[in-house]
Amino acid sequence: QQQVKQSPQSLIVQKGGISIINCAYENTAFDYFPWYQQFPGKGPALLIAIRPDVSEKKEGRFTISFNKSAKQFSLHIMDSQPGDSATYFCAAWEATGANNLFFGTGTRLTVIP
Amino acid sequence: ETGVTQSPTHLIKTRGQQVTLRCSSQSGHNTVSWYQQALGQGPQFIFQYYREEENGRGNFPPRFSGLQFPNYSSELNVNALELDDSALYLCASSRVGVTEAFFGQGTRLTVV
Repeated sequence: QQQVKQSPQSLIVQKGGISIINCAYENTAFDYFPWYQQFPGKGPALLIAIRPDVSEKKEGRFTISFNKSAKQFSLHIMDSQPGDSATYFCAAWEATGANNLFFGTGTRLTVIP
Repeated sequence: ETGVTQSPTHLIKTRGQQVTLRCSSQSGHNTVSWYQQALGQGPQFIFQYYREEENGRGNFPPRFSGLQFPNYSSELNVNALELDDSALYLCASSRVGVTEAFFGQGTRLTVV
């Protein structure tokens, strides 16, 4: 059973456009929601994270929007650049559980010049 | 770079063999977690070690085992390798009570 559902599976965006990736969860015990960026042959790199007590967090061109009542969160990449082309994973952490991250299935983003 | 290093980077093993993967955690981190990432999938939690003891385990069989050493480095051991064990194995380090986890570059294991 996939604890965190992620969509779309792949995304193609023009340079300068906005990339939007969505995730949904069911476990209300999750209390930390990070996004990871992964390039081929590399491990995931922490990009930005949010806790459920805030509805939005922005770091540079990256913004997380969080809807606690809908149990959904999304990553927005503004002014997308070819260097942003990578696979993005949303994740969720349950502090009272086995101390692990539950990952989505990933979104392969391609930014075309 | 995260400061989490894994070795080796690539490995080819035969079905039925045993393998040991190694991880050095980031300075100041005392918790190590291991994840398996199959091709085209998100990482799946195997287990976590803290104070040299297993501190949580995912849905993986007992032939997946681990160790953590006093310097917080860690090993992942897999016995009786199966073809489906072919994956990228990721190590992540963190500090207990802190949710940010930082991943190494992974070890690509191929079982033939």
